[in-house]
Amino acid sequence: EAGVTQSPTHLIKTRGQQATLRCSPISGHTSVYWYQQALGLGLQFLLWYDEGEERNRGNFPPRFSGRQFPNYSSELNVNALELEDSALYLCASSLRTGSQPQHFGDGTRLSIL
Amino acid sequence: DAKTTQPTSMDCAEGRAANLPCNHSTISGNEYVYWYRQIHSQGPQYIIHGLKNNETNEMASLIITEDRKSSTLILPHATLRDTAVYYCIVRAYNQGGKLIFGQGTELSVKP
Repeated sequence: EAGVTQSPTHLIKTRGQQATLRCSPISGHTSVYWYQQALGLGLQFLLWYDEGEERNRGNFPPRFSGRQFPNYSSELNVNALELEDSALYLCASSLRTGSQPQHFGDGTRLSIL
Repeated sequence: DAKTTQPTSMDCAEGRAANLPCNHSTISGNEYVYWYRQIHSQGPQYIIHGLKNNETNEMASLIITEDRKSSTLILPHATLRDTAVYYCIVRAYNQGGKLIFGQGTELSVKP
C-alpha cells in the first residue's frame, strides 16, 4: 500500500514569491493535515481538510492556505514568502473516524532565499 | 502546548529493550496516547496508540498505567535503525485534528 506522497521534495523560492506544495493521501483516507517544521522548532499544526472542507487551522497568517480536491489530494499554498517560511512542510492523512492515527509523508523542504 | 513530559535523551544498547517513558498527568478520559518517531530528515512515523489497555503491534508495545497518568513505549530488541526522536502525544478524536508535538526523546541505540 502506497504511503502519503508529497511533491516536490525540495523547493527553492525567493522572498515575495508564492509556493505550492502537493500531497496525495493514503488510499481510502479522507482527512489531510499540514504541519510546518522549522529548523530548531517542533512540528506546528497548519491546516486540516476533510471531505473538501477546511476543518481547522493553526496559528498561521492567512497567506498560508490550501484546498482539498474531490480525490482527497491536497495543496498547500504560501503567498508572499518570507525568509522565516523556510521549513520542512509535512502532510499527513487519516481515516475520518474516531481515534485513527495520522500517517505522514516525508515532506517538502522549502527554502527561501 | 504539549500535554506530555518526556526525557530529552536516552541511550540503549543494540539488542536490548528500549523503554521510553512519558508523563501525561493531565490526560482526559477521552484522550488517546499516540507514539510517533522521526528519523532525521524524514516525516514522523506512527508507531502505536492506546486508550486504557496495553497494546502491542509488530513494532512496539505500549504500557499505560492504570490511572493513565503515564505510559511507556517498549521497543523489545532495539537496533541501530531505531535511533530517532520519539514523540508521545495525547489527543482526543474531537480536538480539531491537530497533533501537538513536544520536544520528544532522542533515543540513541549504540552497538
